[in-house]
Amino acid sequence: TQLLEQSPQFLSIQEGENLTVYCNSSSVFSSLQWYRQEPGEGPVLLVTVVTGGEVKKLKRLTFQFGDARKDSSLHITAAQPGDTGLYLCAGAGGNTPLVFGKGTRLSVIA
Amino acid sequence: NAGVTQTPKFRVLKTGQSMTLLCAQDMNHEYMYWYRQDPGMGLRLIHYSVGEGTTAKGEVPDGYNVSRLKKQNFLLGLESAAPSQTSVYFCASSYRTGGIGNTGELFFGEGSRLTVL
Repeated sequence: TQLLEQSPQFLSIQEGENLTVYCNSSSVFSSLQWYRQEPGEGPVLLVTVVTGGEVKKLKRLTFQFGDARKDSSLHITAAQPGDTGLYLCAGAGGNTPLVFGKGTRLSVIA
Repeated sequence: NAGVTQTPKFRVLKTGQSMTLLCAQDMNHEYMYWYRQDPGMGLRLIHYSVGEGTTAKGEVPDGYNVSRLKKQNFLLGLESAAPSQTSVYFCASSYRTGGIGNTGELFFGEGSRLTVL
């Protein structure tokens, strides 16, 4: 069974601070997706990383896929209250559907 | 474009009652999924379908049944609800790409909050 461990589980920071969220596994994934979920809504895809070592930027968000395709990180620069939400990573590969991590709940305080 | 629509959005059941959650998607997606989300547990896959007339078990299938009689609909049934099934249920769909293990973006509904007393 493929497992994805996300850390930290909870994060509360002040507006303007930087933060990094981690997604780790002992399994190799063909690709990894990051979703953000706001209260009362379903998750929405932010980015998909496919190549080992790949870095993708989405405005103030930077996503990196590990060289061995076992881990990924999400870095937010100058966090804003609008970044508040649950961040989920999900790994693809093998013969099973996406495997989701338990998520990191981020709260950005103005 | 409605995307993925779940009904009902809220439901309260008594232990032992049955109910069905309906998921409808208008994107012509081949793959559909039912997840449950509990505090601190992330999204756990209950059942999924790779096409009309096919279903498969996910990580936590016990106590649930599903049917995919039409491509656009995926039903999740609880035959005898238990308090442990209190959760928020999410339906999702995706295009068929390189196989179920390499699917692309999942499109989620807004969720159905179920409480079993």
